[in-house]
Formats: sequence, structure tokens, C-alpha cells
Amino acid sequence: QSVLTQPPSVSGAPGQSVTISCTGSSSNIGAGHDIHWYQQVPGTAPKLLIYGNTNRPSGVPDRFSGSKSGTSASLAITGLQAEDEADYYCQSYDSSLSACVFGGGTKLTVL
Amino acid sequence: QVQLVESGGGLVKPGGSLRLSCAASGFTFSDYYMSWNRQAPGKGLEWVSYISSSGNIIYYADSVKGRFTISRDNAENSLYLQMNSLRAEDTAVYYCARGLGGLALNFDYWGQGAMVTVSS
Repeated sequence: QSVLTQPPSVSGAPGQSVTISCTGSSSNIGAGHDIHWYQQVPGTAPKLLIYGNTNRPSGVPDRFSGSKSGTSASLAITGLQAEDEADYYCQSYDSSLSACVFGGGTKLTVL
Repeated sequence: QVQLVESGGGLVKPGGSLRLSCAASGFTFSDYYMSWNRQAPGKGLEWVSYISSSGNIIYYADSVKGRFTISRDNAENSLYLQMNSLRAEDTAVYYCARGLGGLALNFDYWGQGAMVTVSS
């Protein structure tokens, strides 16, 4: 079981918006450690989508945004497109484990 | 452009050993932390180990501590993962990734992955 909890799946129609949550604890997100998000199309390597809670690497559309509050973080995707269908992972650091940790992943289906 | 290319994957029996390599290009390798992450078939991502730019700081996931050893050769722009006492649960695609940031490293570039299968 991951120390960062994500919903197994979310879905939305093209053009709609979805939010993916990442719930942690006082030893990771709540301790102030940064949250990062990755997008993985099946069969390919993960791609960094959001780093440092809210920042987008060059080339990532502004339809993707990140936020963090307390012991949770969220990834919002607006204006859903078919190409957004993928698995999404949150990642941070856990002070109790002295380890980088990933969430269990969320499969986004574009209906 | 940044490129990370893993090699050395394959089929190994339980209890066996394997050494993965990652050849880096397109950036100043010696300036960056590097990490190995893995993904078991049909499962999520799992961090395995990371090493600081100079190699003096190393962390391992509990699941591999004492069995895996990460190392790097900055002169050769290469990252390595020596895997001993392999178990079936180590079967996964192993990704080499470049790390940025502090304790909560983010991984901004990933290789294509090397498949490791542990089976008798």
C-alpha cells in the first residue's frame, strides 16, 4: 500500500475538467515536502507533468495545474483531450521512511 | 537533448545477480542526482535508489536495502545498479531517471526502461 493515496480511476468527457487527489500524512505532504506529478501513457516511460507542487516544465500545456494544502495535493486537468488518457502518479518524500514515495496511480479515461 | 539509455536487463533465476547500466548524454552528468525507479508488470511506480551528484549520498528503498547497490562513474557519464539475491518480486521495468531538487527529488528525464525478469 502506498503512503500517498490516489483514486484508482477518474473519467471525463472531452472538454470537461477532472481533478486527481493525492492524500498523504504529516510525514510527507504535511511535512512540507514538495509534490510532483507524472503522466504515463501505457508502454512508455513516465513524463514529469508538475514539479514543486505547482510548476509546469516547459512544453506542458497550462491545462494541467497542481495545488497543495495540508496533507493533500491535487492535479487538475481542464479541457480534456483524448491524448490525456493515461496513468497519473503523484510523488514526494517521506521523512519517516527516509524515502521517495509514489502514489498508487490514477487511470484517467476520456469518455 | 537529454538522453538516458538503460541496458543489462534480462532473465535471471531467483537468488541470481544482474547489473544494470544507464548511459547519459546531453547534459553535465556530474551536476545531477540520479535515480533508479521501477514498475512491476501492471503495477505502479516504485522508487528504488538514488545517488548524489558526487556519489557521497545514497539512499535505498527498504525493499532492496542490502541487496542492491547504486553507483556512478562521472567520467563515463554512467549510472549503475548492481542487483544481488534477486527475488521474483524484483521483476519489473527498471528506469534510470535524472533527479532535481532537495530531499523531495523530482525526476525530470527518464530512460526507456530495462526489463528484469526473475524466474526459475
